[in-house]
Amino acid sequence: IAGITQAPTSQILAAGRRMTLRCTQDMRHNAMYWYRQDLGLGLRLIHYSNTAGTTGKGEVPDGYSVSRANTDDFPLTLASAVPSQTSVYFCASSDRPGDIQYFGAGTRLSVL
Amino acid sequence: SQQGEEDPQALSIQEGENATMNCSYKTSINNLQWYRQNSGRGLVHLILIRSNEREKHSGRLRVTLDTSKKSSSLLITASRAADTASYFCAPDARTGANNLFFGTGTRLTVIP
Repeated sequence: IAGITQAPTSQILAAGRRMTLRCTQDMRHNAMYWYRQDLGLGLRLIHYSNTAGTTGKGEVPDGYSVSRANTDDFPLTLASAVPSQTSVYFCASSDRPGDIQYFGAGTRLSVL
Repeated sequence: SQQGEEDPQALSIQEGENATMNCSYKTSINNLQWYRQNSGRGLVHLILIRSNEREKHSGRLRVTLDTSKKSSSLLITASRAADTASYFCAPDARTGANNLFFGTGTRLTVIP
């Protein structure tokens, strides 16, 4: 049982470059989420999707975009990376909004 | 803010002792969830307590909820070194998109 798979595990990126973080789940969950975790700030929601074909903005959406073309995949794109986007990114899914969330192992991103 | 706020920020105890972590929130909720995060890993769900429940048990975990005070507590009894982790509460606010709002967590260290 894979659950939530994130790729890459880690990445060093030059500022200004475009980057897509991948997230795939095999639980047929309706809802998916992207968080960033920074020291002292906890987890903050970037974007979410309550069902395939829909997305919504979280607390810190600026500089990020998402798409939800199907149930399983929820990629997060940084169009032009900046150093303040250095963080650990977690993808999660739940059967329905508000239900128990299942998290991936995270992507550690450094923007230089 | 719809975030949960955990208290204390850090807690250090001896193996075998009980650990109590508190969570406060500001909005009406559908449920409140507790998660655990081992260093460098994704979050793992521990327990969900609904707004009409006052107490819930799962193994060595006991969670209480007081909606009148907008607070919850997580008690870990007979702690073990393997309980060392960060613990987060996440209220599911009644308004909005039913997203969870994580706080900064309590860092628990259990000394063998």
